[in-house]
This record gives sequence, structure tokens and C-alpha cells, in this order.
Amino acid sequence: RKEVEQDPGPFNVPEGATVAFNCTYSNSASQSFFWYRQDCRKEPKLLMSVYSSGNEDGRFTAQLNRASQYISLLIRDSKLSDSATYLCVVNPANDYKLSFGAGTTVTVRA
Amino acid sequence: GAVVSQHPSRVICKSGTSVKIECRSLDFQATTMFWYRQFPKKSLMLMATSNEGSKATYEQGVEKDKFLINHASLTLSTLTVTSAHPEDSSFYICSASVTGGQRETQYFGPGTRLLVL
Repeated sequence: RKEVEQDPGPFNVPEGATVAFNCTYSNSASQSFFWYRQDCRKEPKLLMSVYSSGNEDGRFTAQLNRASQYISLLIRDSKLSDSATYLCVVNPANDYKLSFGAGTTVTVRA
Repeated sequence: GAVVSQHPSRVICKSGTSVKIECRSLDFQATTMFWYRQFPKKSLMLMATSNEGSKATYEQGVEKDKFLINHASLTLSTLTVTSAHPEDSSFYICSASVTGGQRETQYFGPGTRLLVL
């Protein structure tokens, strides 16, 4: 079983819509969780960290469910510029190494 | 966020040659840097952890003699792909850790696209 699994999508949504997707992780001892955004042929960029209590950053909301071992990302009022691949990233052992999901592709259409 | 640079951004080389990729932390010191490789539509795979002043730690299946890592200073790590072959063609990305409170965050360089002919 992979350490981090994501639905690859693509999620095709109209501008202004809400889109949400999850990511599951296998190591119950994982301590840190992140969502990164990666544009085509570019490096990943940190979108937001995911905290136990859930957190919001503008139109983006991240949730952590430790019992079911998944994190989620919700994007409200989608913009064309939100089109990207969203990488779920987990720090399984709190030793600086990160495990990456393969990414969920979101395409926002006009 | 912290700034990490990589050079070159892309390189095309002949099979059998060696290619050096530099990763620099521009506005902070990084005792630990990481090297990843990403094939098209696949997730980033950690190749090795680069520690300033000591030997790199390689992930299982990564040949240390083929992928030479040197972390000579707190702001520079280099990855040398020796005797490159077409199957080494990939997107190589470095990252550096920054600690904020109790949380480590990794910031990525812009990546180096390697094409071996």
C-alpha cells in the first residue's frame, strides 16, 4: 500500500464552483500534513499546512481526520488560476522526510 | 516563503556524460537539503537527503555512485548524475527545510529538467 494515495482526477469544474478532494495516508503516526500545488512542468509550491483543528486560507479549507487517516482540501469560488495539480504531502515519521501523493488534477473552466 | 534556486533549469546531454545540478538556499541556511526525481504524471520520489558536512543518505534503490551528492556549505548542495543514460531523463527537484516553531516546511527549487540523448 502506498504511503499517500490520492484520486488523480481530473476534477473539471466551472468557474465559481466548489471542489473538494481527499487524500489518505497509511502511517497512523504521521505528524505533519501539507497541501502543495504544482503547475505543469513547475516545482511544487506550498499551498497550506494542515492542522489538527482544520484551517482556512482564503478560499481554501483543509481538514485532517486522524481516525480515518485522511486529509481534505476544499476550494470555494474556483478561479481559472486554481487549475493545477494538488499534491498531498505527509511527514510520516517527523524526520524531515516527506511522502508525496501523485497529485489530484483540477481544471477550472470558464 | 524561503527561496531556493536551482541551476541549470534544463540540460540536454549525450549518453555517458556527467551532469551537475546546483541547489542553493538564497535567504536562509539549510543544514538539510533533499533531492527528488519526478517522472511525468508521477509523484515526487525522494532520492537522497543531503546533510551539510557529512555524507548524504540515499533512499533504497538509488545508486550513490551514480548520483553523487555534495553539501559543502549551508547554502549549497550539488547533485551530479554520472554517466547519464536516457532512463535518467527526468525532472530533478531539490528542497530545503525551514523550521517554524515545531513545524518543518520544505521549500522547493524550480527544478532541473534533464534530457539524456
